[in-house]
Amino acid sequence: QVQLVESGGGVVQPGGSLRLSCAASGFTFSSYVMHWVRQAPGKGLEWMAFIRSDGSYKYADSVKGRFTISTDNSKNTLYLQMNSLRAEDTAVYYCAKDRSWAFWYWGQGTLVTVSS
Amino acid sequence: QSALTQPASVSGSPGQSITISCTGTSSDVGGYNHVSWYQQHPGKAPKLMIYEVNNRPSGVSNRFSGSKSGNTASLTISGLQAEDEADYYCSSYTSSITYVFGTGTKVTVL
Repeated sequence: QVQLVESGGGVVQPGGSLRLSCAASGFTFSSYVMHWVRQAPGKGLEWMAFIRSDGSYKYADSVKGRFTISTDNSKNTLYLQMNSLRAEDTAVYYCAKDRSWAFWYWGQGTLVTVSS
Repeated sequence: QSALTQPASVSGSPGQSITISCTGTSSDVGGYNHVSWYQQHPGKAPKLMIYEVNNRPSGVSNRFSGSKSGNTASLTISGLQAEDEADYYCSSYTSSITYVFGTGTKVTVL
């Protein structure tokens, strides 16, 4: 069965960097579009970025130029490199597997806290 | 890209039907059939309930149904049950080749 496991969250100071990972299993990872979605404490869902199987990608305006999405198909792993972090980036970050322009499977999430 | 507009809360008694609206623009909800709905219980990851406006993934109860008219999509829950109490979010693909979520609706079973 499909399984997505995020890791890499933690506490980081404003202006700092963090790299999140999402280990995927149960499907042909290299064939699917993958997304990052975040949820600030007590707030709604916010789409962050996607990466297609051909390597093309797209970002939300709120993170463009600061965040980088990538994959390592040999490790079946999705990444999100987050730079120049701000307090407003504090959230639970989820990876999700795409199918038919919907988020079919979600990981359990990893919490990122940006605070001095 | 502004979030899609959903009512903050909707409530109903067990057995009743409720409908949650999701209003966007012609650049998202109105322009594509790529509208999906998610259920999220406290402390849990979201779960896909409806995709492509009105399709249910295998395993999702047929008490959940979706529709769309113009720039507004809707999720209807019929035969409301206590386990349906959760937050619900809509999502749409957009003309900017991005995705946008709704503001979220808290469903309360009275």
